Amino acid sequence: AQSVAQPEDQVNVAEGNPLTVKCTYSVSGNPYLFWYVQYPNRGLQFLLKYITGDNLVKGSYGFEAEFNKSQTSFHLKKPSALVSDSALYFCAVTSNYQLIWGAGTKLIIKP
Amino acid sequence: DTAVSQTPKYLVTQMGNDKSIKCEQNLGHDTMYWYKQDSKKFLKIMFSYNNKELIINETVPNRFSPKSPDKAHLNLHINSLELGDSAVYFCASSQETSGTDTQYFGPGTRLTVL
Repeated sequence: AQSVAQPEDQVNVAEGNPLTVKCTYSVSGNPYLFWYVQYPNRGLQFLLKYITGDNLVKGSYGFEAEFNKSQTSFHLKKPSALVSDSALYFCAVTSNYQLIWGAGTKLIIKP
Repeated sequence: DTAVSQTPKYLVTQMGNDKSIKCEQNLGHDTMYWYKQDSKKFLKIMFSYNNKELIINETVPNRFSPKSPDKAHLNLHINSLELGDSAVYFCASSQETSGTDTQYFGPGTRLTVL
């Protein structure tokens, strides 16, 4: 079955430290991969996506994601976390003309 | 200008009532979606429309009926509301139907069924 896994319900990082939010997927073919962010009481916002080419994708707010085909992973990263990065992050992957969504990871950045 | 807007933002109603949520996008996109986000923040697609035509209709009770009067609008009508319908409902839009295009989300409608 097609699926997207975000293995951590919550990630805690100190401000200024690097952060990683993990995503792995099980989808046939060569899917497109996305990261979205949801701030409290807001809709989801697009961060970045991988289509093809360079495995390191740069997106909004200083985020980047690394695509690893052999490990079927698409981890979200940022070199230096900000308190304002605290939010809920969703990984999503295309399959059969629709997005399959991960369960979300709550990122908490502590001052 | 808000790209994807929804009304109302909050909706509190009694079990058994019928209610509608409206969605409009001014991005010129061809595809619109309805998602349900439950209390655990899990996101589930309900429907998608492309140029007023239903494309995706996931396993959703037939009490839920989407209506697309034109490609800029996708409304969600819910009959005989149940407690389990309480959730946040998001509308989204994208240019293409293939799932490969970025989706733009509305601010959400928090539905509470009492």
